[in-house]
Amino acid sequence: DIVMTQSPDSLAVSLGERATINCKSSQSLLYSSINKNYLAWYQQKLGQPPKLLIYWASTRESGVPDRFSGSGSGTDFTLTISSLQAEDVALYYCQQYYSTSDTFGQGTKLEIK
Amino acid sequence: QVQLQESGPGLVKPSETLSLTCAVSGYSISSGHYWAWIRQPPGKGLEWIGTISHSGSTYYNPSLKSRVTMSVDTSKNQFSLNLSSVTAADTAVYYCARRGIGAWGYFDYWGQGTLVTVSS
Repeated sequence: DIVMTQSPDSLAVSLGERATINCKSSQSLLYSSINKNYLAWYQQKLGQPPKLLIYWASTRESGVPDRFSGSGSGTDFTLTISSLQAEDVALYYCQQYYSTSDTFGQGTKLEIK
Repeated sequence: QVQLQESGPGLVKPSETLSLTCAVSGYSISSGHYWAWIRQPPGKGLEWIGTISHSGSTYYNPSLKSRVTMSVDTSKNQFSLNLSSVTAADTAVYYCARRGIGAWGYFDYWGQGTLVTVSS
C-alpha cells in the first residue's frame, strides 16, 4: 500500500492568517503520461462526512472558496488556506488514488489560535 | 443534487455479518460512475473498503477482501455492503460515496454516515 503521512498532526492558526498542511506519499503519485497527480484533499467538520476540497492535487472542487489551494507534485503536497476563517476549523485529510487500493493520511486537526 | 443515504442495523453481534445499503437520489447509478464504501473508526482516520460499478464489477481493499461482498441494484438505485465475521475492530462510522472519476478516483459525494457498533 502507498502510505500517506500528514504533518503536522494538529495546527493552531490565528484568524486571517495562513494555514499550511503537508502530505507526503511513500511513492510518486504523478502519472507522467497525463501529467496528473492522483491526490485529493478533504475537510471533515465534527459529526459530518468528509467534503472534497481539491483533486488532481490542485483543482478546486466547485463551490470551494478560493482561499483553499493545493500544490505539489510527485510525493510532496500542500494544502494552503490563505486567510483562516472560523468555519475552517476541521480535520483535513489527503487521499491518494494512484493505486488500486487508495489510502488516506492520518488527518490534521486545524484549530483557531 | 446527488444525495446518498446509508441504512442498516446500528448494532451487530461479533462473528455475524454487517449489512448496509446506500440509497442514491438525484443521479441514476446506471448512468455510470463508481460507488464506494469507506469507514472511520471512532476518533480515527478513513479506510476505503471497496468499490462497485453500475454493472457489478467490484474492487476490494486487500486487507478486507476475504470478508467483503458488495452488490448493486440499479432498479432501486442503491448498492450494498456485507462484511462477514465482524469483531469489535469493525466498529466504525460507515460512509457510502461516489467516485468522481473512474474506478479509482476521488470521492465527490458522500452520505452522512451510519455508526455500526459490534458488541454482544
